[in-house]
Amino acid sequence: DAGVTQSPTHLIKTRGQQVTLRCSPKSGHDTVSWYQQALGQGPQFIFQYYEEEERQRGNFPDRFSGHQFPNYSSELNVNALLLGDSALYLCASTAGVSDEQYFGPGTRLTVT
Amino acid sequence: QQQVKQSPQSLIVQKGGIPIINCAYENTAFDYFPWYQQFPGKGPALLIAIRPDVSEKKEGRFTISFNKSAKQFSLHIMDSQPGDSATYFCAASRGGGSNYKLTFGKGTLLTVNP
Repeated sequence: DAGVTQSPTHLIKTRGQQVTLRCSPKSGHDTVSWYQQALGQGPQFIFQYYEEEERQRGNFPDRFSGHQFPNYSSELNVNALLLGDSALYLCASTAGVSDEQYFGPGTRLTVT
Repeated sequence: QQQVKQSPQSLIVQKGGIPIINCAYENTAFDYFPWYQQFPGKGPALLIAIRPDVSEKKEGRFTISFNKSAKQFSLHIMDSQPGDSATYFCAASRGGGSNYKLTFGKGTLLTVNP
């Protein structure tokens, strides 16, 4: 049984560009959350998707947007990249009635 | 405002020792408290979690102690091994992790020397 998968593994972008990160949840999971983890910090919640809708949002600007597809996979889009957006972006999935969130390996985004 | 404060930032123990990592929270609405282990280049892995209706939970060599009145909880690792060397994060959420965001501490880098 595959766990949470994310792509790409690493990404290098230039300031001002746009980026799309992808996540496939663990089998049987229908809820996807995205987190940003800066170097040496704990993950920070960006937003959560359930039934193809954004259900919750953390303290992130509108440059961060997302989408969930009918197969429960999800995308995170970041527009107008800033140097401060450089971080590990983590996707976590959950089955609807469970407390447990399972994280993927993350995408390392570097903005130059 | 940091809602979950974690200490220490780093910790070094000898093999067989019992490292203890502490967390304190501010939001009394939190009612789910997981601990995650993260190795370099990997995503966080769920270790153990507790709810406020119990004061202690054990799973293998990992134990969570919970003090609701003090709004504190801690992770104990029994008989620590070099393979336990990793960064540990405490977290908290309200109403269960599936519907609510996890708020993380800043992490503790644990080194277990052979």
